[in-house]
Amino acid sequence: EVQLVESGGGLVQPGGSLRLSCAASGFTFSSYAMSWVRQAPGKGLEWVSSINASDGNTYYADSVKGRFTVSRDNSKNTLYLQMNSLTAEDTALYYCAKVIFGVVTAYFHSWGQGTLVTVSS
Amino acid sequence: EIVLTQSPDTLSLSPGERATLSCRASQSVRSYLAWYQQKPGQAPRLLIYDASNRATGIPARFSGSGSGTDFTLTISSLEPEDFAVYYCQQRSSWPSFGQGTRLEIK
Repeated sequence: EVQLVESGGGLVQPGGSLRLSCAASGFTFSSYAMSWVRQAPGKGLEWVSSINASDGNTYYADSVKGRFTVSRDNSKNTLYLQMNSLTAEDTALYYCAKVIFGVVTAYFHSWGQGTLVTVSS
Repeated sequence: EIVLTQSPDTLSLSPGERATLSCRASQSVRSYLAWYQQKPGQAPRLLIYDASNRATGIPARFSGSGSGTDFTLTISSLEPEDFAVYYCQQRSSWPSFGQGTRLEIK
């Protein structure tokens, strides 16, 4: 069974940084592209970033480009999202997801339960 | 950017009734469209991919249709656990989601 467990969320001041992690199990992590998707409180879903399975190619939504960095450690079955220069608009529940049928042009097949990031002074 | 518009925003129906949810794309996405279900406090769950293919473990009462710019998710006979928010998502271009349709008990 696929399990994705996010961690690292919390309260951070505007302009601050946070690093999210997603521990994966139940599948061959190194064979799948992975993504981050976020959901602001009471709002819809927004794709944030994706990373290829092995070559490390990364992709970002315009709203986070230049501020967020996605990475992965296939030896630890873990996905990361480094978030810098955070603003209130980044407040959301951040989900990691295993993707299918592509890297960025993909569907989100399995999801974690999310980790909440709150940006506020 | 491809914009997905779902209708209606809210759908009020009773258990046993048929639900029809729509998703319209601002440009053709061919058949590269998925549907997700999200219940309160839970992560989204993939229901349908490539417009009409049910994901593993999804009951047969869920079906998807459409291509190009107009898509439909149909729930043939609503069960109590089907009341949730439904999102469409395209992968023809960089991924985008619709704003969601809330399916509520009448």
